[in-house]
Amino acid sequence: KAGVTQTPRYLIKTRGQQVTLSCSPISGHRSVSWYQQTPGQGLQFLFEYFSETQRNKGNFPGRFSGRQFSNSRSEMNVSTLELGDSALYLCASSSVQGAPEAFFGQGTRLTVV
Amino acid sequence: AQTVTQSQPEMSVQEAETVTLSCTYDTSESDYYLFWYKQPPSRQMILVIRQEAYKQQNATENRFSVNFQKAAKSFSLKISDSQLGDAAMYFCAYRGNAGGTSYGKLTFGQGTILTVHP
Repeated sequence: KAGVTQTPRYLIKTRGQQVTLSCSPISGHRSVSWYQQTPGQGLQFLFEYFSETQRNKGNFPGRFSGRQFSNSRSEMNVSTLELGDSALYLCASSSVQGAPEAFFGQGTRLTVV
Repeated sequence: AQTVTQSQPEMSVQEAETVTLSCTYDTSESDYYLFWYKQPPSRQMILVIRQEAYKQQNATENRFSVNFQKAAKSFSLKISDSQLGDAAMYFCAYRGNAGGTSYGKLTFGQGTILTVHP
């Protein structure tokens, strides 16, 4: 069974640009959540999607958005990139919303220059 | 809001020895899960062990075990017979289970870097 797949693995963007990150959950999993990891702030929850609906959202500005498709794949978008958005973005999938275990992908390393 | 605190930024252990990583949390919820995740240099977050709050028995997975003290809101991880492959960043995490604001999201501690010496 394939794990959680995140693409791309690495990304370099310029301030002011926008970026879209993709996450394909484990087959059969319907819940996808996103986290931002930085040295200063640690791991912070961005949002969670279940059955194409955003169910929970962290304390991030509106520049951070996401969506989930009918096949459970999810994308997150960051508009008007700032230097502080440089981070490792991790996606996790769970079989159902609130399922105990969340399985993580390898992350997308975003660098904003 | 829930908080998770790991007070040990770094720990080290000799191969084959035992080490304990500490974690405390704060919540007003009564139904929740606690986890320890491992993040090696590859950055892949790997689930090590999970504990349901309603279970009094401490979880065990091979060389990994926890000491769950619900009243004290403490959740430590013991690694026995440490191996070189155990070297990683370890995160303690909380997840609510009652449909509240923490439902469906993980709240992480700051992490503890574990070094294993041969």
